[in-house]
Amino acid sequence: DAGVTQSPTHLIKTRGQHVTLRCSPISGHKSVSWYQQVLGQGPQFIFQYYEKEERGRGNFPDRFSARQFPNYSSELNVNALLLGDSALYLCASTLRGSGNTIYFGEGSWLTVV
Amino acid sequence: EDQVTQSPEALRLQEGESSSLNCSYTVSGLRGLFWYRQDPGKGPEFLFTLYSAGEEKEKERLKATLTKKESFLHITAPKPEDSATYLCAVQVLTNFGNEKLTFGTGTRLTIIP
Repeated sequence: DAGVTQSPTHLIKTRGQHVTLRCSPISGHKSVSWYQQVLGQGPQFIFQYYEKEERGRGNFPDRFSARQFPNYSSELNVNALLLGDSALYLCASTLRGSGNTIYFGEGSWLTVV
Repeated sequence: EDQVTQSPEALRLQEGESSSLNCSYTVSGLRGLFWYRQDPGKGPEFLFTLYSAGEEKEKERLKATLTKKESFLHITAPKPEDSATYLCAVQVLTNFGNEKLTFGTGTRLTIIP
């Protein structure tokens, strides 16, 4: 079975540009979360979506937005990119509910220059 | 605010030299404590979830334990392939069903042949 898949794997953007990152959860998983991991730090929670509804938002500016589609895949959008947005963006999926394992994808490496 | 602290930040061991990694946490209500392994440039790989004090789980050379204030990841007779960053995370279920994970900064483990 395919795990959590993310695209693109690497990308370089210029300050002020917009980026869209995509995630397909494990088949049957309806909950998708996004995390940002800066080099040398642990992942930080950005969003959680379940059944296409936002269920949680971390301490990130409004430049960050996300959505979940009917097939449970998800997009993370970041507008007006800053140098500090350079990071590994991780998508995680779970069956939902405490007690369910949370699986991560390999991430999308974003470099803002 | 939920807090997770991992120690040490880095640990170098000789092959076969057993040791323990520590994860201390302060949360309002723990739902689960997660351990992940992360190789450079990769997404976190799930290892264990612990739910209540006194619980223990094992996988090959790894054993995770949980108390009311901290968790330990014991590694017995490690091999060079166990070299990675080990991340600890706590989950606290909010009123809106947000299942976010709060991560520590990780312990970078190096096993020397």
